[in-house]
Amino acid sequence: AQSVAQPEDQVNVAEGNPLTVKCTYSVSGNPYLFWYVQYPNRGLQFLLKYITGDNLVKGSYGFEAEFNKSQTSFHLKKPSALVSDSALYFCAVRATGSNTPLVFGKGTRLSVIA
Amino acid sequence: DVKVTQSSRYLVKRTGEKVFLECVQDMDHENMFWYRQDPGLGLRLIYFSYDVKMKEKGDIPEGYSVSREKKERFSLILESASTNQTSMYLCASSNGQGRDTQYFGPGTRLTVL
Repeated sequence: AQSVAQPEDQVNVAEGNPLTVKCTYSVSGNPYLFWYVQYPNRGLQFLLKYITGDNLVKGSYGFEAEFNKSQTSFHLKKPSALVSDSALYFCAVRATGSNTPLVFGKGTRLSVIA
Repeated sequence: DVKVTQSSRYLVKRTGEKVFLECVQDMDHENMFWYRQDPGLGLRLIYFSYDVKMKEKGDIPEGYSVSREKKERFSLILESASTNQTSMYLCASSNGQGRDTQYFGPGTRLTVL
C-alpha cells in the first residue's frame, strides 16, 4: 500500500526566510512524487514532480524539492518565502509502473508572516 | 494548458435530494478522478475512471455513484444527499501513464441542509 505523511499541520515562517514543508512516503518499489498547492476556495495547483534522475527538482514560483531515497522523503523548499506563498500544500505519491490514482498526504498549512 | 472545469463552484441542496456534480476536461485525458476534501482529512478518493464507461471504487464510494459516457466528462452523483456529504469536491484528470500529472478543477463546495 502507498502512503504519505506530512508531519506538520502548520508551518510558520517569516517573510524572506527559507521555508521547508516536510513529506515522507511509503511505496513498494520506486516512487513518483508530486507537490501541489491550494489557495483558499480553489482547486489544487501542480507545483513539481520527481520522476527519475536528478534528486533536486525545480518547480513553479521558485519552489524546489529534494528526493532522498534512503530517508524516503521529498521535502519542499524555497530559499526566500513570500507572504503570497501562504497556502495549503499537499504531497502525493504513486508507485512507478502503476497508473493508480495519486495518494495524498493530509496537507500542511504554510503561513508566511510579514 | 490543461483545463478541468466543474459545473458549480458553490451548491446548496437539501437532505434527500439527488445531486449531480459535473466535470469536464479538454485535454483528451484517459483518467478522471473524484475526491472529497475535508479539514484534517486531506483528499479522499471517491471514484475514478480509466476509460469511457469504466469506473473503479476509491476509498470512500458509499453514498456516491459516477457516470462516464464521454471521454471528457465524468459525473459524480449523490443519490440521496445527506448532511455528512457536505464537503469540497474536487475533480481531476490525467493521461494514462504513471508519471503523468493529475490536474485539478476549481472544486465544488457542496452544502447539504
